[in-house]
Amino acid sequence: GDSVTQTEGLVTVTEGLPVMLNCTYQTAYSDVAFFWYVQYLNEAPKLLLRSSTDNKRTEHQGFHATLHKSSSSFHLQKSSVQLSDSALYYCALRKNQGGSAKLIFGEGTKLTVSS
Amino acid sequence: EAAVTQSPRNKVAVTGGKVTLSCNQTNNHNNMYWYRQDTGHGLRLIHYSYGAGSTEKGDIPDGYKASRPSQENFSLILELATPSQTSVYFCASGRQGSNERLFFGHGTKLSVL
Repeated sequence: GDSVTQTEGLVTVTEGLPVMLNCTYQTAYSDVAFFWYVQYLNEAPKLLLRSSTDNKRTEHQGFHATLHKSSSSFHLQKSSVQLSDSALYYCALRKNQGGSAKLIFGEGTKLTVSS
Repeated sequence: EAAVTQSPRNKVAVTGGKVTLSCNQTNNHNNMYWYRQDTGHGLRLIHYSYGAGSTEKGDIPDGYKASRPSQENFSLILELATPSQTSVYFCASGRQGSNERLFFGHGTKLSVL
């Protein structure tokens, strides 16, 4: 079946340093798109960025990710993290299935930025 | 920004009791979803719907029912609540299409004692 894997449950980074959150996936579907959602403490998850184009970099709020279908990956990166980036980050894939489109999430990575 | 409203925000239930979580969206989205969030498991899909009158099982449907009486409303029903269903529940809506984003409600914290 389809799955999304985030290998790090918790990542701690010092402010100003770079970070990469890993995301790999398994799916046999071709009509799929990939997402990063961010959830701040006591808030709802919200879209950070998305992509369905192989080898194309997508950016938002200083974060970027590139979908690599050859390695089934969609890692999230930022060159210089801020304290306000501390949050829970989810990688997800969405595929069309019948009359609906399921969104399947990874386990999430909690990013803590320290000063 | 699309609006998804969940009620109640917090709920305490007794084991064996019936619980209904409600979700309303004013986005005119066809697709609606119920997820539960647990540490170490992320967001897991319980039920979803692609339009009024339809419900589909997600990845963890056991112990839950869903109802979509209208485009705007999607309910999650626990007929016999158990302590293992203690969790935070999120409702979401979105347009049809793999590249479409989902909009989430603020969640319902359910405690089953």
